[in-house]
Amino acid sequence: GQQVMQIPQYQHVQEGEDFTTYCNSSTTLSNIQWYKQRPGGHPVFLIQLVKSGEVKKQKRLTFQFGEAKKNSSLHITATQTTDVGTYFCAGLETSGSRLTFGEGTQLTVNP
Amino acid sequence: GAGVSQSPRYKVAKRGQDVALRCDPISGHVSLFWYQQALGQGPEFLTYFQNEAQLDKSGLPSDRFFAERPEGSVSTLKIQRTQQEDSAVYLCASSLVRGEQYFGPGTRLTVT
Repeated sequence: GQQVMQIPQYQHVQEGEDFTTYCNSSTTLSNIQWYKQRPGGHPVFLIQLVKSGEVKKQKRLTFQFGEAKKNSSLHITATQTTDVGTYFCAGLETSGSRLTFGEGTQLTVNP
Repeated sequence: GAGVSQSPRYKVAKRGQDVALRCDPISGHVSLFWYQQALGQGPEFLTYFQNEAQLDKSGLPSDRFFAERPEGSVSTLKIQRTQQEDSAVYLCASSLVRGEQYFGPGTRLTVT
């Protein structure tokens, strides 16, 4: 079945440093979605990428979808303490509606 | 309500008991999903409904797990004869189409 791998598992940064998490799927995806989960909270949708090579920005966050639609990345510029949480990528299979989540990258930001 | 709601928020069950977890999706959302999230892991797909039809139940870990959505709105996930390995957070999510999913707060199930 479809597998989605995400690295790194943990990332500790000083406030102001940049952060990147990478996501790789074993199969070609219809789209990829990114979610953020704060400690004790539930996943909250951040963005969806659909097109091959697509790049989207949300303030300090930059999301990329690979040309082969099998990998993606999330980059945060100049992290803030409010960025703390676990970031999950989730791949939507080309047929059906099943989302497969990666294991997430847990980000901690030291002030 | 404005978002997805789930009840109960916490459930402690003795091994062997049956439990029922409820999900109220966002009004008008056709699609409803159930996920199981173990500590430190990503949500794992359990099952998917489009209106009242259960289109994919391939993620249900055993025949002790059963889900329904009889009127295409509220859904219930039932676990029979709970086992310790069933301890996890059960998340419900709803969406309009094959797009962003809105998650509820989850039910934390502890089997003792």
